[in-house]
Amino acid sequence: NAGVMQNPRHLVRRRGQEARLRCSPMKGHSHVYWYRQLPEEGLKFMVYLQKENIIDESGMPKERFSAEFPKEGPSILRIQQVVRGDSAAYFCASSPWQGEGEQYFGPGTRLTVT
Amino acid sequence: TQLLEQSPQFLSIQEGENLTVYCNSSSVFSSLQWYRQEPGEGPVLLVTVVTGGEVKKLKRLTFQFGDARKDSSLHITAAQPGDTGLYLCAGFGSARQLTFGSGTQLTVLP
Repeated sequence: NAGVMQNPRHLVRRRGQEARLRCSPMKGHSHVYWYRQLPEEGLKFMVYLQKENIIDESGMPKERFSAEFPKEGPSILRIQQVVRGDSAAYFCASSPWQGEGEQYFGPGTRLTVT
Repeated sequence: TQLLEQSPQFLSIQEGENLTVYCNSSSVFSSLQWYRQEPGEGPVLLVTVVTGGEVKKLKRLTFQFGDARKDSSLHITAAQPGDTGLYLCAGFGSARQLTFGSGTQLTVLP
């Protein structure tokens, strides 16, 4: 049973470009969470999605960031017009249930904005 | 906003020594989790504690949840180089979001 998959693992973008980060949850998991980790910091919650629905986006910056989890295909975290401050590791996690259960994390995408 | 503070931030010890990592908050958490993260990878869940005062043991690791469910500790006995990594506590609070502490970077020297 494959784990959570994220791609790309490393992404370099110039200021002003768009970044698209993909997350394929574990088989049978319909709940997806995105987190951001800055160097030497813990993970910060960004958004929680179920298939075709955004459940909680209270951790998402109001501008330039968006997320989706379509009926078919991976979840996408999209960052428009990236700035240097967006450089971070972005982690996706999935779970088969809603609530306070275990979340299974992917290996992350390391975004570098030059 | 519910915050979790971990201490120490960095810890470097010799193989065979014991250590304790602390996770504190002024807020109550309904449950608290401990993760370990290795460089270039995502966090991996070690344990979940739910009941105030709960103690769980995982081989050489002992996890405790405070009576008031505001704090937790991780104790490692006879640390080994393979224990090296970033240890993160995380709690589910009132917002039903997983809030992470800033982490403790542990290095165990052979």
